[in-house]
Amino acid sequence: GNSVTQMEGPVTLSEEAFLTINCTYTATGYPSLFWYVQYPGEGLQLLLKATKADDKGSNKGFEATYRKETTSFHLEKGSVQVSDSAVYFCALRNQAGTALIFGKGTTLSVSS
Amino acid sequence: KAGVTQTPRYLIKTRGQQVTLSCSPISGHRSVSWYQQTPGQGLQFLFEYFSETQRNKGNFPGRFSGRQFSNSRSEMNVSTLELGDSALYLCASSSPDSDSGNTIYFGEGSWLTVV
Repeated sequence: GNSVTQMEGPVTLSEEAFLTINCTYTATGYPSLFWYVQYPGEGLQLLLKATKADDKGSNKGFEATYRKETTSFHLEKGSVQVSDSAVYFCALRNQAGTALIFGKGTTLSVSS
Repeated sequence: KAGVTQTPRYLIKTRGQQVTLSCSPISGHRSVSWYQQTPGQGLQFLFEYFSETQRNKGNFPGRFSGRQFSNSRSEMNVSTLELGDSALYLCASSSPDSDSGNTIYFGEGSWLTVV
């Protein structure tokens, strides 16, 4: 079946540090891949996405590349800020009309 | 363009009661889906509606139901509430007709506490 595995947190970093959150997936076919972010007390916000192999999604300094050979979609940011503190979810969707499959989420805490 | 709107944002119910949550999708989006988020189980898919028809359903008991209206607005209902139903319920919408048809956008959620 389809599944998403994320590195477990919490991830604690100092401001301006480099961030990597690992995400690997198992899926049939060619899924679309997503990163969502959830700030305290809020819903999910789409951070970035990639719909085919070798695509790179990017937004607000975050990047992730769809690697089909390693079935991965790792999230990176070169210099994190305190305002990036949140929970990050990796997810996949096989096609429209099917459910998003989420990882368990990774909590990021950035201190100044 | 307004995002996905959910009401109410917060509510407290007693065991055995029922609850109805409402969701207005992004304008033009015809697909609405619902997810439950709990600390223990994470994010779990409840169901999806498209053009007033349930197209997909997750693994939840029959106490959880939903519907979609002709204007694409959706409601979900939970009957005979249990303590374990306490969760954040997230509504999401997408538009299969757009270039980003596979992208799902979420609302702020409805926080349900069952006491």
